[in-house]
Amino acid sequence: DTGVSQNPRHKITKRGQNVTFRCDPISEHNRLYWYRQTLGQGPEFLTYFQNEAQLEKSRLLSDRFSAERPKGSFSTLEIQRTEQGDSAMYLCASSASGTDLYEQYFGPGTRLTVT
Amino acid sequence: KQEVTQIPAALSVPEGENLVLNCSFTDSAIYNLQWFRQDPGKGLTSLLLIQSSQREQTSGRLNASLDKSSGRSTLYIAASQPGDSATYLCALRNYNTDKLIFGTGTRLQVFP
Repeated sequence: DTGVSQNPRHKITKRGQNVTFRCDPISEHNRLYWYRQTLGQGPEFLTYFQNEAQLEKSRLLSDRFSAERPKGSFSTLEIQRTEQGDSAMYLCASSASGTDLYEQYFGPGTRLTVT
Repeated sequence: KQEVTQIPAALSVPEGENLVLNCSFTDSAIYNLQWFRQDPGKGLTSLLLIQSSQREQTSGRLNASLDKSSGRSTLYIAASQPGDSATYLCALRNYNTDKLIFGTGTRLQVFP
């Protein structure tokens, strides 16, 4: 399977715990994006990387959230001291620069439930 | 600030109907626009991407058009099938940013 993969697919955690999600992009893609989607809404942008550089962050990304892409391949998104409002689907996408398209391809998402 | 609106929010049609989903946006300085399909609890599948210089794109029974001057895109689905039942999202990318801005989607149900 050469698509975007995300792990875990589901995560249930108690309020106050830390969680970490992983995203593996399509292998030749150097851009990687994180979005968050709550029920009944469209995805909202969180942050994106070109290679290992984090180029843009949304104001939605509070100081409890941190994203890394240390070697320009996979990325992790960590949420510290989770709150019930963090319950959402976390989506990862990747795209290839150097083309005119920048078409983004999405993974299956990680559904987070904070109890 | 770019805002994206999709109308209708939900649509239920009998199998075989041709249908149009609408997406409108407030800032016409877009780089490209993508239409996605999302099945319940799943990720997004890219359907069509239209560059700002293009007027339409076609893939099978799907046709997407773009009119920047009026701030509109439409997704036309021909001969709808029950398997087309899903949420359809439009998303656009402005110049000088890489992020996609999404609408809230149209939830489509096609019944036999």
